Amino acid sequence: AQKITQTQPGMFVQEKEAVTLDCTYDTSDPSYGLFWYKQPSSGEMIFLIYQGSYDQQNATEGRYSLNFQKARKSANLVISASQLGDSAMYFCAMREGGFGNEKLTFGTGTRLTIIP
Amino acid sequence: GAVVSQHPSWVICKSGTSVKIECRSLDFQATTMFWYRQFPKQSLMLMATSNEGSKATYEQGVEKDKFLINHASLTLSTLTVTSAHPEDSSFYICSALDWGLEPYEQYFGPGTRLTVT
Repeated sequence: AQKITQTQPGMFVQEKEAVTLDCTYDTSDPSYGLFWYKQPSSGEMIFLIYQGSYDQQNATEGRYSLNFQKARKSANLVISASQLGDSAMYFCAMREGGFGNEKLTFGTGTRLTIIP
Repeated sequence: GAVVSQHPSWVICKSGTSVKIECRSLDFQATTMFWYRQFPKQSLMLMATSNEGSKATYEQGVEKDKFLINHASLTLSTLTVTSAHPEDSSFYICSALDWGLEPYEQYFGPGTRLTVT
């Protein structure tokens, strides 16, 4: 089974609208972390937001928020008030296990295109 | 945030030659670095984990004799693609782990685009 699943290969969103990028994960480890990265066409990976499995609150970072539903094993990224500069590939990633196991497994990504 | 650099940003080499890619953490010490490969329109696949002063740990299916990793200092890891072939053409990205700051996130370099002719 895939550890990280992103079911939306591409999305088109009107500028200024909110957008939700889906991510589901599969792990039996009670300790894990979920990350979202943005990859523009230049190729660099930009960290957006992190959610730990024991965190009680959903993570937020500026216009980014993570809708963490532990029972459903989903960690959707919500971008509010989308901007043209948000057009990029977005990857969800998971780190399993506690301290000392820092490997990341990435999903297949979602290409987001913001339409003016 | 922490800065990781990679050099070169792109390289073209002939089949059969070797290419070295450098990954540096510029403003923090990174005892652990990771090397990823990304084919066009695909996700990042972890190749190996590089630990300063010890041998790298390779993921299943990655040839350790072909992809030589050396993490000789706390700020530098190198990936050498030996006897490169056209199928090795890819985007190689490194990341460095900052153990000093939770959630111990990986800081990524800008990537190196390798084309083997």
